[in-house]
Amino acid sequence: GENVEQHPSTLSVQEGDSAVIKCTYSDSASNYFPWYKQELGKRPQLIIDIRSNVGEKKDQRIAVTLNKTAKHFSLHITETQPEDSAVYFCAASRPGSSNTGKLIFGQGTTLQVKP
Amino acid sequence: GAGVSQSPSNKVTEKGKDVELRCDPISGHTALYWYRQSLGQGLEFLIYFQGNSAPDKSGLPSDRFSAERTGGSVSTLTIQRTQQEDSAVYLCASSSSSFVGSNQPQHFGDGTRLSIL
Repeated sequence: GENVEQHPSTLSVQEGDSAVIKCTYSDSASNYFPWYKQELGKRPQLIIDIRSNVGEKKDQRIAVTLNKTAKHFSLHITETQPEDSAVYFCAASRPGSSNTGKLIFGQGTTLQVKP
Repeated sequence: GAGVSQSPSNKVTEKGKDVELRCDPISGHTALYWYRQSLGQGLEFLIYFQGNSAPDKSGLPSDRFSAERTGGSVSTLTIQRTQQEDSAVYLCASSSSSFVGSNQPQHFGDGTRLSIL
């Protein structure tokens, strides 16, 4: 079945450094890849998403890259700040008449940014 | 309201009891999703509603789980004869998808933390 693998499960960086989280997906028909940030006890918040017709998307300190051939996509956070500390989830969704838009999530990455 | 609203925020109940969880999506959003998040885990898809289409129930873990969406807005997730393994945070999301497969961003509620004693 559809599967999304996310690595690493935990990531600790120094404030100001960059953080990279990687995900691979199994369903080659997937065409939509959102990233969510979830702070402790709070709802997942969409921070960026990318569709399969582009290879990269950037929003200030956050960027996402997509390699359709290799079926992987990555989240890049530059100039990390303590408030970036949270759990980050990647997800994938497929198109088509059989799709209901359901997201298949990775297992999450706990990012700790040390001051 | 401005966002997805879920109630109750917390629910503690005894094993074997039935529970009902409520989701009020963002106004105008036609697509509604239920997910489950177990402690320290990712989100697991449960069920999806889109307009008048038949719901996608492919993620429901057992026949003790059911959901309905009345009037195309509010949704209720019901768990019958609860078991301890049902303990989790149940999250609802909605999106403005106007047709199946349009992959519009999903916005989540705060969830209901369900604890089965």
